[in-house]
Order: sequence, then structure tokens, then C-alpha cells
Amino acid sequence: QQQVKQSPQSLIVQKGGISIINCAYENTAFDYFPWYQQFPGKGPALLIAIRPDVSEKKEGRFTISFNKSAKQFSLHIMDSQPGDSATYFCAAPRGGYQKVTFGTGTKLQVIP
Amino acid sequence: DTGVSQDPRHKITKRGQNVTFRCDPISEHNRLYWYRQTLGQGPEFLTYFQNEAQLEKSRLLSDRFSAERPKGSFSTLEIQRTEQGDSAMYLCASSSQGLEPQHFGDGTRLSIL
Repeated sequence: QQQVKQSPQSLIVQKGGISIINCAYENTAFDYFPWYQQFPGKGPALLIAIRPDVSEKKEGRFTISFNKSAKQFSLHIMDSQPGDSATYFCAAPRGGYQKVTFGTGTKLQVIP
Repeated sequence: DTGVSQDPRHKITKRGQNVTFRCDPISEHNRLYWYRQTLGQGPEFLTYFQNEAQLEKSRLLSDRFSAERPKGSFSTLEIQRTEQGDSAMYLCASSSQGLEPQHFGDGTRLSIL
């Protein structure tokens, strides 16, 4: 069963705009919430992660917002650039060994 | 480069053949994971090793699949009697203890003819 629901499936943003990707989770046992970025032919690369006791985390142009009561978290990419064009996955690890459940992915295209 | 390394990057084989993939994790990482990713989907967990012990296997891992990590370092994933549905990207990841995030390799793309 899908435990992490991600939207939208695809996103087109103008260069300089803000890209927003949302995820909702069901299981409250997740330990933290990372976002992965994947380029074609490459493995997922960790972009940014947030723990559930924090409501927001910012690293450069990337910000995660976390709403524990709504069981939702989102990724904001400020000043989006063509180089940001990739597929983004939200994820939720849990358990003693951090087995990761991934969302279905959002394909982002940033157009000049 | 000290990242997760996977070999081969691409494998094309005929249906019914056996294939084996190798993963070399980041050297100080004692946790190793295998995932499978099909086109347009997120990676799905297959199995997990803590050092040399295989501690969990997903239901996705049928009897035709076997994974090993003999000395707690590199790992191999073997698929016997490959089927069309096995075509996918097979990803390996590693991490250290605690809540440290997993680092992924670039995967082995398997194509079944």
C-alpha cells in the first residue's frame, strides 16, 4: 500500500519561479523526511531532509516545510533554474534500519 | 571517489538467463540496501543487510532473487531465470548507523530481451 502520496506528477516552471512539490504520509512512525533529486540515468541523490520536530528547514534555494498535524511536507525551490530540471522524490524512512518508502516522483521542468 | 559503486551499469540478457549485479558501498557504512525502480516510479525496497546479515526481504524478492554480502563489504544481487517483468533499474544504497540518510549508487539497468 502507498504510504507516501506525492503531487503533482509533473511540473513546468519558468526560470526564476518557485517550484512547489507536496507529499502526504499516513504512517506516523516515520523518523525524518528527506527529499531526493534524480537525473536521468543516475541514482537518487539526497537533497535536503527534515526531522518531525522542526517545521521548516532551508538550505540555499531549497526549503522543506513540515506540517505534522496535517501529515504533510513540501519542497519549495526558489529561483528555479534549468539545471533543477529532474525528478524529485519525497521519502520517509522508518524502523531501526531506516527502510525508505518513496513517493511516486515529480518530474520538474524549468524552462528559460 | 568514495560514493556507492555499482557494476555493471547496464545489462542486457535473454529471458531465462541468470544475471548478477555487484554493489560496493561507502567503506565505513555497515548498512546496505537494494531497491528496484521501474520507469516512472519511485524506488521500491527489496532487501537490507546489517554488516553480513540479511535482516529483511521484501515480498517483491521472489525465490528467483538472492542477495549476499559475504564479508560485510560488497554485496551481490542475483536473479535466476530472468523474466520480462524483471526489467528495471536495480539500485544499491548504503548508510551508517542511526538516522543517517542513505546514499545511492547510479544503479544497474537490466533489460530482458
